[in-house]
Amino acid sequence: AQTVTQSQPEMSVQEAETVTLSCTYDTSESDYYLFWYKQPPSRQMILVIRQEAYKQQNATENRFSVNFQKAAKSFSLKISDSQLGDAAMYFCAYRETMNYGGSQGNLIFGKGTKLSVKP
Amino acid sequence: SQTIHQWPATLVQPVGSPLSLECTVEGTSNPNLYWYRQAAGRGLQLLFYSVGIGQISSEVPQNLSASRPQDRQFILSSKKLLLSDSGFYLCAWSVPPTGRSTEAFFGQGTRLTVV
Repeated sequence: AQTVTQSQPEMSVQEAETVTLSCTYDTSESDYYLFWYKQPPSRQMILVIRQEAYKQQNATENRFSVNFQKAAKSFSLKISDSQLGDAAMYFCAYRETMNYGGSQGNLIFGKGTKLSVKP
Repeated sequence: SQTIHQWPATLVQPVGSPLSLECTVEGTSNPNLYWYRQAAGRGLQLLFYSVGIGQISSEVPQNLSASRPQDRQFILSSKKLLLSDSGFYLCAWSVPPTGRSTEAFFGQGTRLTVV
């Protein structure tokens, strides 16, 4: 079964600095998706960034970027120029591609990393 | 655009009472629907998923059940709540299985406290 591991329960960063959140996963599949979700105190799950396993280029979304190492099964999130609004729980998630008669592409989550941003 | 509604936002129920949480999706057809539970320090656990009306798959055996009476409606139920059912419940949807999947979109969640 696929698993997702976030080894950092809590992280802290100074405002305007850069922080990297770690995520590793285990799968025997070659085609899948990876995501980072943000959950602020409101507890609304917000998609931060997605990565398709067949793409070698690392995904970027403004201040958010990933370091996708497929062979190492590693998917870290880098937040640049951290802002107070970035303080939240961050969840790494894995998803197989869906196919008829097979996987339903359910999301599998890590346990999350709580990010604090210091002013 | 697609939207997902989940209610109630908070719920306090006594042990042994029934439960019904409802989730509806607008702006899409035949979505995959999901119920997740988030316990403190344990991430999100998939409870149920559905790929169509009346089709429910359970990921974890427990005191809960799910139903999908309409295409865009997903209900989480219990006949008798246990203290261990307390938690934060999230409904989510994703596009149907057309070969390439995308992310799941989440409702705002229900905080359930069983007392």
